[in-house]
Amino acid sequence: DAGVIQSPRHEVTEMGQEVTLRCKPISGHNSLFWYRQTMMRGLELLIYFNNNVPIDDSGMPEDRFSAKMPNASFSTLKIQPSEPRDSAVYFCASSFHDTETQYFGPGTRLLVL
Amino acid sequence: RKEVEQDPGPFNVPEGATVAFNCTYSNSASQSFFWYRQDCRKEPKLLMSVYSSGNEDGRFTAQLNRASQYISLLIRDSKLSDSATYLCVVNDGNTGKLIFGQGTTLQVKP
Repeated sequence: DAGVIQSPRHEVTEMGQEVTLRCKPISGHNSLFWYRQTMMRGLELLIYFNNNVPIDDSGMPEDRFSAKMPNASFSTLKIQPSEPRDSAVYFCASSFHDTETQYFGPGTRLLVL
Repeated sequence: RKEVEQDPGPFNVPEGATVAFNCTYSNSASQSFFWYRQDCRKEPKLLMSVYSSGNEDGRFTAQLNRASQYISLLIRDSKLSDSATYLCVVNDGNTGKLIFGQGTTLQVKP
């Protein structure tokens, strides 16, 4: 069975550019989560969706970040404009329900120069 | 105070040793508890859920103490392959979302 799929796996971009990260959750899962991980701050929840509806976006750092889930099998996290401090690993995870076990994708390693 | 606190380590132990990690959480309304494992440059993966009565999976034992609001993970007969970061995870009792600790790093040496 396919797990959570993320693309791209690596992204190097210049400050000011738009970055779009993509995620395909496990089929049948109703909740989708976007996390950011850095050495300094650990794993931080940015936003999560239940049944394609954003439930909690309190972790989104600022207006430069936006996330969408147009259907049950696809979500995007967009950063516009990107800044060097956005450099991190971004994980997408999904679960049947938002309180249950979450399954993580392989992550996108983002480097903003 | 952080919602979920762990000693970051690293814990350096020889093969075959028994090692224990503790984790404390701040929200007494939390209901679900997990240990995740994260290998270097990989995604976190569920190691085991933590039940009120305590539970065991092979060499791994997890325990929950609700009164003191802490969770523990015990690893017996540690293997080189156990080297990883172990993340304590607690659900937010109010919203249900999961809160991850910073992780405890384990290095098992030959």
